[in-house]
Amino acid sequence: QSVLTQPASVSGSPGQSITISCIGTSSDVGGYNYVSWYQQHPGKAPKLLIYDVIDRPSGVSNRFTGSKSGNTASLTISGLQAEDEADYYCSSYTRRTTGVFGTGTKVTVL
Amino acid sequence: EVQLLESGGGLVQPGGSLRLSCAASGFTFSSFAMSWVRQAPGKGLEWVSGISGNGGSTSYAESVKGRFTISRDKSENTLYMQMSSLRAEDTAVYYCAKDRRYNYGYEIDYWGQGTLVTVSS
Repeated sequence: QSVLTQPASVSGSPGQSITISCIGTSSDVGGYNYVSWYQQHPGKAPKLLIYDVIDRPSGVSNRFTGSKSGNTASLTISGLQAEDEADYYCSSYTRRTTGVFGTGTKVTVL
Repeated sequence: EVQLLESGGGLVQPGGSLRLSCAASGFTFSSFAMSWVRQAPGKGLEWVSGISGNGGSTSYAESVKGRFTISRDKSENTLYMQMSSLRAEDTAVYYCAKDRRYNYGYEIDYWGQGTLVTVSS
């Protein structure tokens, strides 16, 4: 089963911007505009941040921005805040019609 | 308000079976796909299985294919996962999840609180 590749950790100071990458293939990220991003705080269920590459559900801060280029999707968090410290996962529709998640990225606010 | 309440987790011996349930409310159950996602202790998210809105289409991760069966009951607004031939590597928190569309594999917009399954002798 394919897995999307993310950096293990990313850090930044309050107020800065950080970007998390999600590398897939033409069978998932590169082949469809159905990339989503999730935020998970310790001991909590994940929360949907971005869907369809760039769209935000109602109630999600506009500090979270999604994008995609080729087989790589990205999540940018601008104006980094202490509450953004969490694990982040990407996901994509795949040609195999199964779900797939990224390896996960731990974001640390310095 | 969408609510997903899982139950059925617990301690089971290797080779044993367990059935997870997820009671859904706050949305039209048959209009949306549902999925199970698990997370082993200290590890990342793993998609386990999905089922379409009417239950006519299902899919499984290779790691559970042939051992797990997903199903749904429209009359009870409940999602199930029958797990058999359980292995130590199946130990995880299992999340019930509502998909944003009629078919699975796209994005999940609501998650349950999770139920812990521990496979150990």
